[in-house]
Formats: sequence, structure tokens, C-alpha cells
Amino acid sequence: EDQVTQSPEALRLQEGESSSLNCSYTVSGLRGLFWYRQDPGKGPEFLFTLYSAGEEKEKERLKATLTKKESFLHITAPKPEDSATYLCAVRTRSGGSYIPTFGRGTSLIVHP
Amino acid sequence: DTAVSQTPKYLVTQMGNDKSIKCEQNLGHDTMYWYKQDSKKFLKIMFSYNNKELIINETVPNRFSPKSPDKAHLNLHINSLELGDSAVYFCASNQGLAGGYQETQYFGPGTRLLVL
Repeated sequence: EDQVTQSPEALRLQEGESSSLNCSYTVSGLRGLFWYRQDPGKGPEFLFTLYSAGEEKEKERLKATLTKKESFLHITAPKPEDSATYLCAVRTRSGGSYIPTFGRGTSLIVHP
Repeated sequence: DTAVSQTPKYLVTQMGNDKSIKCEQNLGHDTMYWYKQDSKKFLKIMFSYNNKELIINETVPNRFSPKSPDKAHLNLHINSLELGDSAVYFCASNQGLAGGYQETQYFGPGTRLLVL
């Protein structure tokens, strides 16, 4: 069974204190790893897609990396507006379709 | 303009009732999804439609029946509601068949269902 585990469950940072969120996965036949941001009371918002080990993507203070077993979301010099839950999802093939499997997320709070 | 919209935003109902949630997207996408997010924020796919055709149907009770009248709409009807159905239901859409690469899913704001 495909598994996606995110750590830590919760993370508190001071503004400017860089850190990383982890998403480890056990899947058969990865067809993409996705990072989303979810604000309270809202739907997930797409951040990145990574397809192969060694791939990296950046957007403002966020950088996502991928290995064969895990992905990291690095947050450099975070600001309070980066506070949100960050979700990781992997997509695998099931029959003729691709099924996304989500992790439980990391809740990030950045204090001013 | 709202890309993916859902109605209602909140739904409070009694056990045993039947209710529907509606979803509309104005992005011109041809694939739409329903997800359930439980109280622990775990997001799980329920159904996916491509051009009005069901292509993903995860292990969901028969009480849940999706309907897609056209590719811009995907509704979810729930019969005989149970306490365990309480959750946030998200609609999402993307361009291209669910099996395609490089598609980005756009999520709606969610419908918060509380079954009493």
C-alpha cells in the first residue's frame, strides 16, 4: 500500500528562522510528487510538482527537492504570512488512472 | 473570479437525511474530483470524472453518488447521512485526463458538513 508520511506534524519558527519540512514516501511507480499550501478554512493551493530524483523547484522563500524516498520543502527566512499547513501528495498509477495519496500535513506557525 | 466554487459552504443536518453538494469550475478543465478531509486534516480522494465519465472511484460507501451533468459541474449526493460523514468536502479540477502529467489541481473552498 502506498504510504506518505510528513514530519514534523507541527513546527513553530521565529521570523527569519529557516527550516525544512519532510515528506517521505513508499510507493510503487511514482508519477509525481506535489506540494500544496492550505490556509485555515480554505482549499489546498498548489505550490510545486516534482517528477524525478534530483529535481528542485523554487518559489520565493520556498524550495522543494526530491530524492527516491523523500522530498523536502525548505523555507528560507520565513515570514508570518508563510504560516499554513503544507501538504505533500504522491501520484501513482492504478489501472488506467492516476491516484493521488496525501500526507497528513505539517502545520507551520511563524512568529513575528 | 472564482475558479472552483462549491455550495453550500456550511451544511448542518441530522443523521439519516439526504443532502447534495454542488461544484462548478470556470477554468475549462475536463477533469473534476471530490475529496474528503477529516478532522485530522487527512485529505483522501473519493471520485474523479473526466468529461462527465467516472474514472476514479475509491472505496466509498454506496450512499455517496457523484453526478456530472457537464464537464464544468460535479455534484455529490449523500443518502442516509451518518455521523462519520462529518468532514470537509473539497472539489477540485485540472486540465487533462487524471492520468496525464503536469496537471495542476485547483481546489474549491470546501463544504463543511456536520451531521448531528
